[in-house]
Amino acid sequence: DQQVKQNSPSLSVQEGRISILNCDYTNSMFDYFLWYKKYPAEGPTFLISISSIKDKNEDGRFTVFLNKSAKHLSLHIVPSQPGDSAVYFCAASPIIQGAQKLVFGQGTRLTINP
Amino acid sequence: DAGVIQSPRHEVTEMGQEVTLRCKPISGHNSLFWYRQTMMRGLELLIYFNNNVPIDDSGMPEDRFSAKMPNASFSTLKIQPSEPRDSAVYFCASSLEYKGARAFFGQGTRLTVV
Repeated sequence: DQQVKQNSPSLSVQEGRISILNCDYTNSMFDYFLWYKKYPAEGPTFLISISSIKDKNEDGRFTVFLNKSAKHLSLHIVPSQPGDSAVYFCAASPIIQGAQKLVFGQGTRLTINP
Repeated sequence: DAGVIQSPRHEVTEMGQEVTLRCKPISGHNSLFWYRQTMMRGLELLIYFNNNVPIDDSGMPEDRFSAKMPNASFSTLKIQPSEPRDSAVYFCASSLEYKGARAFFGQGTRLTVV
């Protein structure tokens, strides 16, 4: 039972264009969502988060959008750069439980082509 | 701070052997997590500790897996006996315990059981 799903295992985008990574969740108790980025041979690192009281959160080139009714969130990277090539994990939890109930998706491998 | 430290980085062992993975969390963090990453299932939570006490081990796949946290600065994940299907990357993460906390990951241990 996959509570957090990233249906695209991979995505290839031209440098300078927009990258859009998608994530769906099923558990209505989730109200806190995070994106982690992972380079090869490294652990995941936190990228950006959003709580359910918002529908958008922006940090530089990264923006996360949350559609609660559709139980869907997306990460937009504009403009995409070669250093953004990595695996991106979506994660969700009930915010009151902090990191203790984080559920991760399977990840999407993003490749930025020069 | 050096971050979450895991050892070894790579482990190759023969089926049936005992494997012990080690983790040193970030100083001051009171929650510790063990995750396993596979292609099929992404990042799965195996077990987490709060203040050195195991809180939820429902993700531990079998009795062959065990985890301990004898003190606030050290944890082990043991597999005995190991099997080829245990081959994966195992991550340790730590966090503070508060609403909206994020987890900080170590670099992982790549385990290969032959």
